[in-house]
Amino acid sequence: GEDVEQSLFLSVREGDSSVINCTYTDSSSTYLYWYKQEPGAGLQLLTYIFSNMDMKQDQRLTVLLNKKDKHLSLRIADTQTGDSAIYFCAETSMNRDDKIIFGKGTRLHILP
Amino acid sequence: DSGVTQTPKHLITATGQRVTLRCSPRSGDLSVYWYQQSLDQGLQFLIQYYNGEERAKGNILERFSAQQFPDLHSELNLSSLELGDSALYFCASSGAGGQGYYGYTFGSGTRLTVV
Repeated sequence: GEDVEQSLFLSVREGDSSVINCTYTDSSSTYLYWYKQEPGAGLQLLTYIFSNMDMKQDQRLTVLLNKKDKHLSLRIADTQTGDSAIYFCAETSMNRDDKIIFGKGTRLHILP
Repeated sequence: DSGVTQTPKHLITATGQRVTLRCSPRSGDLSVYWYQQSLDQGLQFLIQYYNGEERAKGNILERFSAQQFPDLHSELNLSSLELGDSALYFCASSGAGGQGYYGYTFGSGTRLTVV
């Protein structure tokens, strides 16, 4: 079945890079997403990548996709206190009636 | 403001009661999705509606039901509430054609506390 796995916690020092990893099981995944959830708020779409891409960069964010290993990562450069949040990896495929499968989320904690 | 409106923001109710959560999707979006987020279960997909019709069902309990109205707003009804139903309930919407391929837009959620 479809599943998305990610580690639950990550601690990073302010100014360092954060790398959040995710693996998924559906080889027909077409779109992969990273969402950010700040305390008390809903999920906000940070970025997405099509499965025919290896990398996408958007300012401090870099998404890497290894389709062979079904591995997705999100790198946040120069991590700031405002990056403290839960980051959800998610994926969908064209044959799934728009249903997006979410991971359980990685809580990113920023150390001073 | 994401454009998806959920009311109420907070709800406290007693076990055995029934509540209704409301969602207005982003303007132009035809699909509405309901999710439950609890600490131990993560984000659980409950149900999807597209233009008034149920399109997909997830881990939704029989005590829960939902509908989407002609004006596209949606309501999630939770009945015979139990302590374990305490959670954040999110609504999300996606664009015309039901194409969630470009991601969903989430509301800020309703926090339900059952006491």
